[in-house]
Amino acid sequence: GAGVSQTPSNKVTEKGKYVELRCDPISGHTALYWYRQSLGQGPEFLIYFQGTGAADDSGLPNDRFFAVRPEGSVSTLKIQRTERGDSAVYLCASSLKRWSGQGGTGANVLTFGAGSRLTVL
Amino acid sequence: GQQVMQIPQYQHVQEGEDFTTYCNSSTTLSNIQWYKQRPGGHPVFLIQLVKSGEVKKQKRLTFQFGEAKKNSSLHITATQTTDVGTYFCAGPPAGAQKLVFGQGTRLTINP
Repeated sequence: GAGVSQTPSNKVTEKGKYVELRCDPISGHTALYWYRQSLGQGPEFLIYFQGTGAADDSGLPNDRFFAVRPEGSVSTLKIQRTERGDSAVYLCASSLKRWSGQGGTGANVLTFGAGSRLTVL
Repeated sequence: GQQVMQIPQYQHVQEGEDFTTYCNSSTTLSNIQWYKQRPGGHPVFLIQLVKSGEVKKQKRLTFQFGEAKKNSSLHITATQTTDVGTYFCAGPPAGAQKLVFGQGTRLTINP
């Protein structure tokens, strides 16, 4: 597609419920990132996919959070037993280039989607 | 882990005044990127700096990367109302395949 598409744009749920957030990256972009942004803060890294595999999931806050990208394109972020503290905007980004390596130049430039605003009541 | 700090957190200026935001990393960066987020929007890439001491310009915006590759700055000359938004710097930790973002500098402008 022309840009990174995220659905839903808004999700209101109750504490304890399960939530799925979807990201459709730019066609041909092999790298996909999930970030979380709270009000007044910068994006906080959650997980990074290169192709189908999660290359770095060090930002996932706990085991209630899980993400998949089974065919190397669309990704789903899954949150189990949601808590009020999970409320935030969840941003997905994709990038064309494979990471250039340690200390290398030309690091990936991220194209962000509009985000999914999650509110846990 | 790597920390990226930005100052100031907020800046309010009169239209036509200059604006500068500063970015400092706790570790040396291979490169640094700047993003702009309009109110209610998502971060949009502005520029990437790679070389020590590099200076790049985009119209009224001037970006610098420090000699030690641990700090950077964004300077806007003669601000316009279209410059309103939050400016983020971001850099990759050594050996990591992700960007760590600063907390941003929110710019508001009095027309």
